Amino acid sequence: SQTIHQWPATLVQPVGSPLSLECTVEGTSNPNLYWYRQAAGRGLQLLFYSVGIGQISSEVPQNLSASRPQDRQFILSSKKLLLSDSGFYLCAWSGGGSGGGKTQYFGPGTRLLVL
Amino acid sequence: AQSVTQPDIHITVSEGASLELRCNYSYGATPYLFWYVQSPGQGLQLLLKYFSGDTLVQGIKGFEAEFKRSQSSFNLRKPSVHWSDAAEYFCAVGASDYKLSFGAGTTVTVRA
Repeated sequence: SQTIHQWPATLVQPVGSPLSLECTVEGTSNPNLYWYRQAAGRGLQLLFYSVGIGQISSEVPQNLSASRPQDRQFILSSKKLLLSDSGFYLCAWSGGGSGGGKTQYFGPGTRLLVL
Repeated sequence: AQSVTQPDIHITVSEGASLELRCNYSYGATPYLFWYVQSPGQGLQLLLKYFSGDTLVQGIKGFEAEFKRSQSSFNLRKPSVHWSDAAEYFCAVGASDYKLSFGAGTTVTVRA
């Protein structure tokens, strides 16, 4: 069966510091991968998605970036964090390929607090 | 572009009572529809999904949802709620490129 991991689970970072959040998926190959942000009391905002290694699409312009160095690894980064980057970050995967998977499955999330 | 509206921000229901959460979507073609549940501090868990066929779909944890094209709705129901159903519920609509748009969520409180 497929599993999705995110780490760290919780992170407290000062303003201006760098960020690296990691997401890995097991039990599937060539998945579509997604990064979402969930601000307190709000819905989910799609930040990035990837349909393959090195292929990243950005949905919202911001100081965050994403990379996919391996098939089942998705990384969310920032060079300098802002207070507004605080939130709950969720990684998700769906089946890839031309048929594609319509259903997204979510990881446990990373709680980021920028002070 | 697709969008989702969940009109109820917060619902309180007594344990054992029925629950219905509303979801309205906007999308020009046949949508893919989902309901997810999120417990505090956790990721999202898929409850059920609708792609085509029977408009009444059954999910996990005793939940069901009905797709009504004429009303652009996909409401979630449970006949008898348990205290463990207290959580936040998200409706989502998917387009042909498999990206999802989520509603703002409905928080469900269950009172004893």
